[in-house]
Amino acid sequence: DIQMTQSPSSVSASVGDRVTITCRASQDISSWLAWYQQKPGKAPRLLIYGTTSLQSGVPSRFSGSGSGTDFTLTISSLQPEDFATYYCQQANSFPNTFGGGTKVEIK
Amino acid sequence: EVQLVESGGGLVKPGESLRLSCAASGFTFSSYNMNWVRQAPGKGLEWVSSISGSSSSMYYADSVKGRFTISRDNAKNSLYLQMNSLRAEDTAVYYCARDLSNVEYFQHWGQGTLVTVSS
Repeated sequence: DIQMTQSPSSVSASVGDRVTITCRASQDISSWLAWYQQKPGKAPRLLIYGTTSLQSGVPSRFSGSGSGTDFTLTISSLQPEDFATYYCQQANSFPNTFGGGTKVEIK
Repeated sequence: EVQLVESGGGLVKPGESLRLSCAASGFTFSSYNMNWVRQAPGKGLEWVSSISGSSSSMYYADSVKGRFTISRDNAKNSLYLQMNSLRAEDTAVYYCARDLSNVEYFQHWGQGTLVTVSS
């Protein structure tokens, strides 16, 4: 199975900050990576798929990069509604696996 | 508008069974792979199972293989998860999720249904 490791597990940031979250796969997954945002008590929301493609309706301050085993989610200017937990997920092969999550908290 | 509505969760004892349902609307149900993803209280997301549009292929996480069965009824636009031999570690919110154009990205999610396994 492919293991997905996210870092950091949590980050404290202020509105307007640039935030970067990384995700590492235990083996090459090409560009088969997605990012999700989850707020407390809510279902996850797909933000980015195929490493770099922005899901419809997602603000352009979110971006993704990487390939192979190393991937990054960047929020260019953190907004109040972005405080949430973020997960990466590989879609290269079954079983689909998620990273452990990164909680973005208010500083 | 795509809508996914789960039902069937509840409190059961270890070893018992439960069947979850997911009612889908707003899209051509038979054209999409469907999935179950769960989240234990305070924990991260765990993919559980996937089924192709025609039910020709099913996949399971090792943690549920042999105990859970995914199925669908395209005539009823419904997805199911039969859960047998439930364990305490199966306690979680179970989400129904639709693929993005038959690639295993989860584009649409239901609101989730809570399954609690406790004696």
